[in-house]
Amino acid sequence: DTGVSQDPRHKITKRGQNVTFRCDPISEHNRLYWYRQTLGQGPEFLTYFQNEAQLEKSRLLSDRFSAERPKGSFSTLEIQRTEQGDSAMYLCASSFLDSGNTIYFGEGSWLTVV
Amino acid sequence: AQKVTQAQTEISVVEKEDVTLDCVYETRDTTYYLFWYKQPPSGELVFLIRRNSFDEQNEISGRYSWNFQKSTSSFNFTITASQVVDSAVYFCALSRSGNTPLVFGKGTRLSVIA
Repeated sequence: DTGVSQDPRHKITKRGQNVTFRCDPISEHNRLYWYRQTLGQGPEFLTYFQNEAQLEKSRLLSDRFSAERPKGSFSTLEIQRTEQGDSAMYLCASSFLDSGNTIYFGEGSWLTVV
Repeated sequence: AQKVTQAQTEISVVEKEDVTLDCVYETRDTTYYLFWYKQPPSGELVFLIRRNSFDEQNEISGRYSWNFQKSTSSFNFTITASQVVDSAVYFCALSRSGNTPLVFGKGTRLSVIA
């Protein structure tokens, strides 16, 4: 059983450019989450999906950020007009819908905005 | 609102010493889940344990043990006979159910010196 896969693992971009990250969850996991983690901090929740429906968005998710999960499988997180403050690790996680199930994380996508 | 506090920012121990990582949480929910994750330098968050609020039994898994005390809102993690491979950042987290978004503490960086 493969784990949560994220691509790319590292991205360096110039301020003002758009970037997109992809996440492939564990097979058959119907919940998918995006978190952001900056240096020295714990992960902060951004948004999550149940199948293709986006259930919740954090206040951290400004209108420059958009996430999709069109077919209820993989997800993309796009950041438009990147700013230096967007530099962080973007973590994807997935779980199976059941109150007792655990959320499993991918290795993250590091973003550096220069 | 939910909150997790990990007061210890960094801990350094010599190999084979025991070490306890503290976690204090705040929630108004009567049902909730507590988690510990390990984040090695590679970045992936590795699931260690999940405990629900109705189960105050302590748990031991090899060199790892967890002490859950509702009376003090604490969920502490002890590593016995620490090893260099235990060096990582450890996060405590809280959620309303097993797979709703997690609220993380800021983490404790553990360094085990040979």
